[in-house]
Amino acid sequence: QKEVEQNSGPLSVPEGAIASLNCTYSDRGSQSFFWYRQYSGKSPELIMFIYSNGDKEDGRFTAQLNKASQYVSLLIRDSQPSDSATYLCAATEEVHGMRFGAGTRLTVKP
Amino acid sequence: ETGVTQTPRHLVMGMTNKKSLKCEQHLGHNAMYWYKQSAKKPLELMFVYSLEERVENNSVPSRFSPECPNSSHLFLHLHTLQPEDSALYLCASSPGTGGRQPQHFGDGTRLSIL
Repeated sequence: QKEVEQNSGPLSVPEGAIASLNCTYSDRGSQSFFWYRQYSGKSPELIMFIYSNGDKEDGRFTAQLNKASQYVSLLIRDSQPSDSATYLCAATEEVHGMRFGAGTRLTVKP
Repeated sequence: ETGVTQTPRHLVMGMTNKKSLKCEQHLGHNAMYWYKQSAKKPLELMFVYSLEERVENNSVPSRFSPECPNSSHLFLHLHTLQPEDSALYLCASSPGTGGRQPQHFGDGTRLSIL
């Protein structure tokens, strides 16, 4: 069974801190990895994608990929209360279909 | 109109009713998807369409019937649903179905089965 695993949380961090969200995947054939943010009652919104090992930075967000360890993470620097949401990790294979984790709920406290 | 639009936003139906969910994308994408999102469970991929042709059906019960008349529209026809089918149904689109294609989601239809 190909799976994407996330800690469901809730993860609570103070405003201004770094939030670290982690994800592991079981399918070594996975090629691309995505992080989505989902506010309550809203649709998932794409934040970052990463294809290669290493780090990828975009503003306050950094995605990290380690294919040998089958591990993806998302760091949010200078966390804001508006970052409070559920973060979904997803992995895709070459063909089609995106496999999602159950999501990690993040709360940023003022 | 922008992005991916789903209607209705909320739907309550009895187990013997027939209803349809509609999705429309204005992004010029060639692939469209239906997902089911239940509480505390991962998004479940139901159907994938590429250029109006169904390319994946993830063992979804026949009471769910998709239709893709063109690359901008996707429907999910519902018939004789069960209480466990109550969930948020999300539509998504992407430029193509290759692995590096990020998907863009609609706001979903919240379905409740009485």
